[in-house]
Amino acid sequence: LAKTTQPISMDSYEGQEVNITCSHNNIATNDYITWYQQFPSQGPRFIIQGYKTKVTNEVASLFIPADRKSSTLSLPRVSLSDTAVYYCLVGERGATNKLIFGTGTLLAVQP
Amino acid sequence: DAGVIQSPRHEVTEMGQEVTLRCKPISGHNSLFWYRQTMMRGLELLIYFNNNVPIDDSGMPEDRFSAKMPNASFSTLKIQPSEPRDSAVYFCASRGGRGSGVPSTDTQYFGPGTRLTVL
Repeated sequence: LAKTTQPISMDSYEGQEVNITCSHNNIATNDYITWYQQFPSQGPRFIIQGYKTKVTNEVASLFIPADRKSSTLSLPRVSLSDTAVYYCLVGERGATNKLIFGTGTLLAVQP
Repeated sequence: DAGVIQSPRHEVTEMGQEVTLRCKPISGHNSLFWYRQTMMRGLELLIYFNNNVPIDDSGMPEDRFSAKMPNASFSTLKIQPSEPRDSAVYFCASRGGRGSGVPSTDTQYFGPGTRLTVL
């Protein structure tokens, strides 16, 4: 599975847009990019998944450039409750029997 | 659906004791995963099952750890004997197969975890 690199931590304020970038230089043709969110004392939760260009759902947007060597998770107008660790994972969809979690990005939202 | 259910939520035991963690996956899901999370090592995959069959246990630390899935609705992770370094949060996750109706066939749904403390 392709290795991912993300910032260890980020700070933001309520109401701001937050963009978390993940690098995956060795991404393979069949790999998808998936983001999970983990709140304190809870298990990780699926946020969004994409292959190329842009994907948007009710929680976030995912931007993937043409070379797919990186991706950006965008959280619009964050609130205090968005404080969590965000993990970027890369692997084949469907056949992704393993999820390899990196260190993730700790997003701290302040009032 | 109640989601993935784990028990107990907290377990405190003494070194050398046997510990059994339990997991009930989401009904209809055909894959089950056990993870361990610590500050030092992050989130690690220990073992996973497809259709109740263990597929990859390469993440299991050593012979003291064992996992079983006797049927589609129940799995256990056992540590015998337990050691202080086993202290961690243990998560169980399940994943639906084809035709399960989930948005993505590889989306894993995690339980609330079991916080294990070995004294």
